[in-house]
Parts: sequence; C-alpha cells; structure tokens
Amino acid sequence: AQSVTQPDIHITVSEGASLELRCNYSYGATPYLFWYVQSPGQGLQLLLKYFSGDTLVQGIKGFEAEFKRSQSSFNLRKPSVHWSDAAEYFCAVGAGDDKIIFGKGTRLHILP
Amino acid sequence: DGGITQSPKYLFRKEGQNVTLSCEQNLNHDAMYWYRQDPGQGLRLIYYSQIVNDFQKGDIAEGYSVSREKKESFPLTVTSAQKNPTAFYLCASSTRDSETQYFGPGTRLLVL
Repeated sequence: AQSVTQPDIHITVSEGASLELRCNYSYGATPYLFWYVQSPGQGLQLLLKYFSGDTLVQGIKGFEAEFKRSQSSFNLRKPSVHWSDAAEYFCAVGAGDDKIIFGKGTRLHILP
Repeated sequence: DGGITQSPKYLFRKEGQNVTLSCEQNLNHDAMYWYRQDPGQGLRLIYYSQIVNDFQKGDIAEGYSVSREKKESFPLTVTSAQKNPTAFYLCASSTRDSETQYFGPGTRLLVL
C-alpha cells in the first residue's frame, strides 16, 4: 500500500538559513509527488509537484524538491528561509484512482 | 477568480444535530474531495466524487454523508452518528487523472 513518511514533526531554523524537509514514500510504480504548505487556519497551497522528467522540480516561493528513486525520497529545500515561511508542510503521493495520500506534516518554525 | 469556496468558516454543532458544510468550485473540475484534519494526524479522506451523481467512501466515512447533484457542489453532512466531529474540514477538487488537488480555505467545526 502507498504511504508517505515525514520523519520530522517540527523543524526550527533561523531566518536566512537553508532548509530541507524530508519525505519518504512507498509506492510500487513511478509516483506522482507533491508538496503543499498550510498556514494556520487556512487551506493547503500547492508548492510543487513531480510527475516525470527532470528530478529537480522548481516550485513557488523559492522552493525546490528533488526526486530520488533509489532512496524513495522527495525532499523539499529552500536556500534561505524567510519568517513568512513558518507554516506546516505536507508531502503527498498520488495513490491512483484520483486519490492522494498525505504525510502527517512537518511544522516549520523560524527564529528571528 | 476561479477557486474553491467553503462555508461557513466556523460551525457549531449541538449534541444530536446534523450539520452541513458547503463546498463550491468554479474550476470546472470533475473530482471533489472532503478531508478531515486533526492535529498531528495529517489529512484523512472522508468521501470523494469523481463525477456528478457518484461518490465513494474514503478512509473515515462513518458518521458522514455527501451528495453530488451538481458538478460545482459537494456538500458534506456531519451526522449525529459522528461522535467526535470537532476538527478542521477541507474540501478539494481536481481534474480527472491530474492527481493535483486544489484546496478550499476550510471549515472549523466545534461541538457545543
């Protein structure tokens, strides 16, 4: 069965520092992979997605993610975080039949 | 502007009462979804619909019901059988086979 693991529940980084949020998935075929961001009390916003092709995917707000098939990973990165990046981040995998399975999320805290 | 709207933003339910959460989209998407979000649990799928007049149960359908009479609308009813309804409810939509879901702003349901 498909699954998504986000091993870090909370991550704290200083403003201006680099960021990497980890995501591992379990899926039999070539996966569709997503990263979403959620600010408190809001809906989810799509940051980026990987369907095929180039394994380094660029998204909105300066984020990127790299698909590594050998490691079953799709980690999200940003070279320099801003205080406005504080939010919860969800990794997700397409499960077929028009469904998506979400990880449990990583909450990002930014130190001034 | 195209998008997904959910109403109300906050909803209060009394014991034994059914309540209905609204979800409307003007994106011309065929598929629509309802998720429940609890702290630390990520998103759990309640129901989804791939086409008008058809819908399927998700992972936690007990105590909920839906209808899909129009392409634009996918209301969710939280019935009195749902014993722990307090949560944040998110509606999403997508085109068929794109597996990219777009989310509404959410409805927070509280029990009085």
